[in-house]
Amino acid sequence: EPEVTQTPSHQVTQMGQEVILRCVPISNHLYFYWYRQILGQKVEFLVSFYNNEISEKSEIFDDQFSVERPDGSNFTLKIRSTKLEDSAMYFCASRLAVGRSYNEQFFGPGTRLTVL
Amino acid sequence: EDQVTQSPEALRLQEGESSSLNCSYTVSGLRGLFWYRQDPGKGPEFLFTLYSAGEEKEKERLKATLTKKESFLHITAPKPEDSATYLCAVPNFGNEKLTFGTGTRLTIIP
Repeated sequence: EPEVTQTPSHQVTQMGQEVILRCVPISNHLYFYWYRQILGQKVEFLVSFYNNEISEKSEIFDDQFSVERPDGSNFTLKIRSTKLEDSAMYFCASRLAVGRSYNEQFFGPGTRLTVL
Repeated sequence: EDQVTQSPEALRLQEGESSSLNCSYTVSGLRGLFWYRQDPGKGPEFLFTLYSAGEEKEKERLKATLTKKESFLHITAPKPEDSATYLCAVPNFGNEKLTFGTGTRLTIIP
């Protein structure tokens, strides 16, 4: 069964360093998302991406964040200068965007980001 | 702005003891309601989509129902492997970004 994959599973970095989180969405899906979940809190939306551009971003998604789909399969989230408060689980999700189940989103296993 | 509230926050049941989890929502226009299961340190695993009031979906020991204001996830004769956090979420109009509730942490005691 097709699934969303993410690498790495755990990333430890120093405050101020850049990190890139990688995702491979389900192959025929058209919409891609990043969400994050701070420990003990709810899953919250960061950004959506469609047709090679950002379709919406949350208030959390400031200038330190960027997303890219560098080729036909990968979808990346870059944090330019990490802060302690960026420590969280980051989830990638994708959806087909057509058909009866057009808005069902499927999530990857997540990357745990720890900023020291 | 879409809002999702789940109750209870945590629920402990004996194996075989049936119960229900609640998800109440406020949206400008319902475009579906999703239930996910989340195990510790893992991503949300898709369970069900409900699109209209009165709709029901079933999967093994789980049954999800939907009214105009809330959804219930009924668990019948649960087993320890059903222990997880159950999340509900609603998509918004446009790019379908999800608004999640805080989840119900379900523990099934053998």
